[in-house]
Amino acid sequence: SQTIHQWPATLVQPVGSPLSLECTVEGTSNPNLYWYRQAAGRGLQLLFYSVGIGQISSEVPQNLSASRPQDRQFILSSKKLLLSDSGFYLCAWRESILGEQYFGPGTRLTVT
Amino acid sequence: SQQGEEDPQALSIQEGENATMNCSYKTSINNLQWYRQNSGRGLVHLILIRSNEREKHSGRLRVTLDTSKKSSSLLITASRAADTASYFCATDEGANNLFFGTGTRLTVIP
Repeated sequence: SQTIHQWPATLVQPVGSPLSLECTVEGTSNPNLYWYRQAAGRGLQLLFYSVGIGQISSEVPQNLSASRPQDRQFILSSKKLLLSDSGFYLCAWRESILGEQYFGPGTRLTVT
Repeated sequence: SQQGEEDPQALSIQEGENATMNCSYKTSINNLQWYRQNSGRGLVHLILIRSNEREKHSGRLRVTLDTSKKSSSLLITASRAADTASYFCATDEGANNLFFGTGTRLTVIP
């Protein structure tokens, strides 16, 4: 069966510091991978998605970037965090464009 | 782009009662997916219903889809305290993205 991992679970970082969040998927090959952000009490906003190694599409201009160095690894990064980057970050995957999409447990980021 | 909108925003019921949540959207879709999110946790996939389907069941969950009205409903029968969570619908237009609403917050009172 497939499993998706995210770490860390929680993170408190000062403004201006770098960020690296990691997501890995097990039990599948060549998944579509996604990064979402959820603000408190809000829906999900798609940040990035990837259909293959090195292929990244950005949905929203922002202070963040994403990379996919391996087939089942997706990384969300920032060189300098802003207060507005605080939120709940969720990684997701699915095998095909029209299939079920599954989410990881999320990372709670607080920028102070 | 378009986004699903859930209704009501919040719902409070007694344990054992049924809970119905609705989702409306604006454009044609390939499928619609329902998710549950417990406070501070990730989203759990509940059901996917395709545009050519009208109803699907999974345990105590029943989902309907009316493409002519661009709406879907999620029914939870015989609710339990453990069903307390936020429920989201997500529409899939086939553009490699799901569009999420802001969710319905369900509280089941023991």
